[in-house]
Formats: sequence, structure tokens, C-alpha cells
Amino acid sequence: AQTVTQSQPEMSVQEAETVTLSCTYDTSESNYYLFWYKQPPSRQMILVIRQEAYKQQNATENRFSVNFQKAAKSFSLKISDSQLGDTAMYFCAFTGYNTDKLIFGTGTRLQVFP
Amino acid sequence: GAVVSQHPSWVICKSGTSVKIECRSLDFQATTMFWYRQFPKQSLMLMATSNEGSKATYEQGVEKDKFLINHASLTLSTLTVTSAHPEDSSFYICSARGTGERYEQYFGPGTRLTVT
Repeated sequence: AQTVTQSQPEMSVQEAETVTLSCTYDTSESNYYLFWYKQPPSRQMILVIRQEAYKQQNATENRFSVNFQKAAKSFSLKISDSQLGDTAMYFCAFTGYNTDKLIFGTGTRLQVFP
Repeated sequence: GAVVSQHPSWVICKSGTSVKIECRSLDFQATTMFWYRQFPKQSLMLMATSNEGSKATYEQGVEKDKFLINHASLTLSTLTVTSAHPEDSSFYICSARGTGERYEQYFGPGTRLTVT
């Protein structure tokens, strides 16, 4: 069975600094997708970034980038130049070609301080 | 594009009554919709997957007779919580996947259910 693990329940960072959120996963599938979702206090789920497993290049979306280590089954999210609006719950998620559903980690609560 | 709405955003009902939550894809056709439940400060738990025109597939441990899901059209899925009890109080989120999409899910804003 596929699992997603986020080992950091809470993180904090000062505005303008950089923070990295960790995520590991386990799967026997060779083709899959990985995601980071943000859930702010409004509770609307927002896709931050996604990575296709067959792509070796790490995905980047403006201030957000990932470090995808396929052999280690690791998928961390780096937020550069943190902003107050980045304060939210962040969920790592997985879906495989044969899975047909998203499997979420337990989440990391990120607090950005001024 | 790819907007999903939920209605209502917040509902309070009395124990023993039923409540229906609607999930609509506003600008695309959703062949598959997913229903999640989220407790405070916890992750999303998938309850069921529904495909348009067919019966929903429920996750293990989810009572199909209690959480009725109907996906009657390509833009609408409904979740009915029957004979609600206080322990059913939670935040319910739907997501939708469009025709031809392999992995992308678009999330609704969620519905807060409080059973008194």
C-alpha cells in the first residue's frame, strides 16, 4: 500500500527566510505524481506544485521548488523568501497511475513570522 | 478555469435529520468526483470516489448507507448524510477531475457540518 509521511507537524520561519518541508513516500508503482497542497485558514485546498516521477528535473513554481529524490522516495518543498501569506497547512500527496486517488500525508503547519 | 463549488458552506442540523451537500464543477465536466472528510488539524480522509452515472466506491470503514453519494451528471455530485449524529460533525471537501485528466483534482471550498 502507498503511504505518505510528513515528519514535521509544525514549522516556523521568519519572513523573507527560506524553509524546507519534508515528505517521504512509499510505493511499488514506477509511474506516479507527487504534489504539495496548501490549506490556508480559509481551508480551501490550493495546489502549490506537482512533480511527475518520470521527470528528473525538479519542479519549480516561483518561490516554491521541490527536491525530488526518487531512489530515496523523498519529496521536500522549499519555500524561498517566505511571506506572511504562506502561513498555512501544507500537505504532501501522491497518486499513482494505478491508484486513481490522492493519498495525503498528515500535514505540516507552517507559521511565517514578521 | 477549473472551479469547483460546494453548497452550503456551513450547515447546522439536528441529530437524526439528513443533510445534503452539493458539489458542482462550474466550468468543466467532471467524470470523477471525490469526497473527503477532515477533522480539525488533521489531514483529508477520502470517503468515496464517484464516477458519473455509476455507483460510488467507498473507502474501507465508510458506511455507504449513512453517506449516500450521487453523481447524476457531469457537473454535480451530492453527499447526503443520513440520520446525522454529533460524531458526523466535520468538514467535508469535494474534488473533481475532468474528462481526460489523469491526475489533476480541483477542490471545492468545503462544507462545515455541525450536528446538534
